[in-house]
Amino acid sequence: GQQVMQIPQYQHVQEGEDFTTYCNSSTTLSNIQWYKQRPGGHPVFLIQLVKSGEVKKQKRLTFQFGEAKKNSSLHITATQTTDVGTYFCAGAVFVTGNTPLVFGKGTRLSVIA
Amino acid sequence: DAGITQSPRHKVTETGTPVTLRCHQTENHRYMYWYRQDPGHGLRLIHYSYGVKDTDKGEVSDGYSVSRSKTEDFLLTLESATSSQTSVYFCAIRGQPGNEQFFGPGTRLTVL
Repeated sequence: GQQVMQIPQYQHVQEGEDFTTYCNSSTTLSNIQWYKQRPGGHPVFLIQLVKSGEVKKQKRLTFQFGEAKKNSSLHITATQTTDVGTYFCAGAVFVTGNTPLVFGKGTRLSVIA
Repeated sequence: DAGITQSPRHKVTETGTPVTLRCHQTENHRYMYWYRQDPGHGLRLIHYSYGVKDTDKGEVSDGYSVSRSKTEDFLLTLESATSSQTSVYFCAIRGQPGNEQFFGPGTRLTVL
């Protein structure tokens, strides 16, 4: 079945450093979504990318969708302690309207002040 | 958060007992999902529903059943709880018109 691999599993950075997490799918995706989960919280939707090569920005966060629509990345510039949490990618392969998302295992980000 | 509640929020139970977790939504969403989250495994789909009485299995459905008799409620039942089912369980709905998911606050289940 479809798999979504996410690396790294953990990342520890000093506050102010940049951070990137990568997501790779075994199959071509219809779209990819990114979620953030704060410690003790629930996953919260950040963004969805649909087009090949798409780049979207949210303040210090930059999201990219690969040209082949099989990989994606999330880059955070100048991390802050508020960025702490686990970041998940989730891929959608359109088979029918019922086909569920497949989540990566997430990257846990720690930020040292 | 899209009007999703989960109950109970915490539960401790013993091996072999049945357990039912409830997900309730107030915004008439068609799609609902149950996930479990364990360290090192991320979010794994247990079952999902695409309408009243319409459900399907996810990646880790063994030992779980679901029911959806009303649009607003999606129930997850552990027929005979085992220690391997100790986990945090999240319910989610699919938003419209996009297919982003909105998660409930989670239920922490401990099976002794």
